[in-house]
Amino acid sequence: QQQVKQSPQSLIVQKGGISIINCAYENTAFDYFPWYQQFPGKGPALLIAIRPDVSEKKEGRFTISFNKSAKQFSLHIMDSQPGDSATYFCAASLNSGYALNFGKGTSLLVTP
Amino acid sequence: DGGITQSPKYLFRKEGQNVTLSCEQNLNHDAMYWYRQDPGQGLRLIYYSQIVNDFQKGDIAEGYSVSREKKESFPLTVTSAQKNPTAFYLCASHDRGPGEQYFGPGTRLTVT
Repeated sequence: QQQVKQSPQSLIVQKGGISIINCAYENTAFDYFPWYQQFPGKGPALLIAIRPDVSEKKEGRFTISFNKSAKQFSLHIMDSQPGDSATYFCAASLNSGYALNFGKGTSLLVTP
Repeated sequence: DGGITQSPKYLFRKEGQNVTLSCEQNLNHDAMYWYRQDPGQGLRLIYYSQIVNDFQKGDIAEGYSVSREKKESFPLTVTSAQKNPTAFYLCASHDRGPGEQYFGPGTRLTVT
């Protein structure tokens, strides 16, 4: 049973555009929501993370928006660059980082 | 260099053979994890360990076994009972309290 649902499965954005990836969860006890970036053949790396007491967190061109009542959170990549082309995973966990439940991933392609 | 190492990067085995994947970390983290990644499936938790000499099954533990005799090491054995062992295997570690999981570079296992 997938505890975190992620969409879209794939996304193509032009350079300079905004990439938006959405995730939804069911378990209201989740207390930590990270986004990971993965390049082919590599392990995922943490991009940005948020806790449910905050509605938005921004780090450079990356922003997480969090809607606790809707049980949804999203990643926005502003001014998308070809180097952002990668697979992005959202995740959620209990106990602040232990045993992450991952979405199925979004393959992002940023065209020049 | 601090981090997580996984070896080997590529591993080939014949069906019916057990195989052990190595994971070592020098981050002094208490918790370690094994995930399996298949195309379009995201990362699924196999086993995790929050402390030496203790570990718990994740969502897809059948056909796998682990040990945690040392804090820095968490080897995964893929047994012949695992029906579809060909996959990309990722090891991760996590310090106590809130924070990110750090991932290793992964081992791609192919069983024919």
